[in-house]
Amino acid sequence: QVQLQESGPGLVQPSQTLSLTCIVSGGSISSGPYYWNWIRQPAGEGLEWIGRINAGGSTRYNSSLKSRVLISADPSKNQFSLQLSSVTAADTAVYFCARQRMTGTTELDSWGQGTLVTVSA
Amino acid sequence: EIVLTQSPATLSVSPGERATLTCRASQSIGIYLAWYQQRPGQAPRLLIYDASTRATGIPARFSGSGSGTDFTLTISSLEPEDFAVYYCQQRSDWPFGGGTKVDIK
Repeated sequence: QVQLQESGPGLVQPSQTLSLTCIVSGGSISSGPYYWNWIRQPAGEGLEWIGRINAGGSTRYNSSLKSRVLISADPSKNQFSLQLSSVTAADTAVYFCARQRMTGTTELDSWGQGTLVTVSA
Repeated sequence: EIVLTQSPATLSVSPGERATLTCRASQSIGIYLAWYQQRPGQAPRLLIYDASTRATGIPARFSGSGSGTDFTLTISSLEPEDFAVYYCQQRSDWPFGGGTKVDIK
């Protein structure tokens, strides 16, 4: 069964770049009909989709974040990463990585546990 | 852009009772809808996909129905662990509804 684990700094200074990595085990990010996603959730709020990448390296981003987001993948390490630039306090949230099926509903069937990132000086 | 609206925002139910949650899409999405449960401090867990198919390991008390623009998640008899927030999701680029919190009456 595939497992995902987020890693990265828990504190980022305003105007800097937030960088997180999702390490995938029990399955390859290079195979299978899946997208690999980043999703975030501010405290007490709902889920916000950030973007995704597929096995071929094609990406798609939330239009409201597109100018600041970069998602990349490293198949040799079986992991994918998120970079969010020019962060502000509004980017403080729990960040999740998740696997998404490519067909049908494209549901997110496996999630990491999430990691809290706080933007503060 | 397709928007999902969930109602009610909060649903107060007693253990053992039935809970009915609704998700409405701003335009038809066929059967392409999923439901998730999120307990405090945990990641969301997939319950239902393709509107009515239970994910692996999901108890039979969870059922989904609907197509087009109107969808329902029903929990037939609430267990203590079912008190949580529930989200619906569709396949476009603004995928999640705002959530329904099911709390203890």
